[in-house]
Amino acid sequence: AQSVAQPEDQVNVAEGNPLTVKCTYSVSGNPYLFWYVQYPNRGLQFLLKYITGDNLVKGSYGFEAEFNKSQTSFHLKKPSALVSDSALYFCAVSDQAGTALIFGKGTTLSVSS
Amino acid sequence: DAGVIQSPRHEVTEMGQEVTLRCKPISGHNSLFWYRQTMMRGLELLIYFNNNVPIDDSGMPEDRFSAKMPNASFSTLKIQPSEPRDSAVYFCASAPTSGIYNEQFFGPGTRLTVL
Repeated sequence: AQSVAQPEDQVNVAEGNPLTVKCTYSVSGNPYLFWYVQYPNRGLQFLLKYITGDNLVKGSYGFEAEFNKSQTSFHLKKPSALVSDSALYFCAVSDQAGTALIFGKGTTLSVSS
Repeated sequence: DAGVIQSPRHEVTEMGQEVTLRCKPISGHNSLFWYRQTMMRGLELLIYFNNNVPIDDSGMPEDRFSAKMPNASFSTLKIQPSEPRDSAVYFCASAPTSGIYNEQFFGPGTRLTVL
């Protein structure tokens, strides 16, 4: 069965510093990986996805993620955090069989000024 | 484009009552998803439709839950009878192509409180 883990409930960084939000996954075949962000009282917004190709994926708002097959990871990164990046971030995974997206528990990112 | 529209945004009801949540997907999208979000269980997929046909309803928790999609522009999620443990935020999302490999567009959610 496919699964996704976000090992950190919360990540705290200072504005201007780089940030990383971790995600590891487990699927039976090739993974389809996604990052979404949720602001308070809002629905989830798509940030980026990895389907195939270059392991470094660039997405919205300056975020990027690196697919690492050997470590089964898809960590979300940003070189310089903004206070406005503070939100709840979800990693999601699916396999080639077209089954449902499985979301992680989410990681709260807090960026201090 | 107005995005995915959900109504009501908030619903407070008493245990035993019927609750109906509504969703209008983005025009032209042919996949629709219903999710439930709670602190304890996170974000769970309840059911999804492709071209108005239910594809996977394995996430529907009990027979008290039912979902319909009578046409491409409307879907409902019904809980009958409702229980306090159904309290959660329910999200509807739509996607532009069949399957789930493309990004999903989420609505603002319906916050349900069952007393």
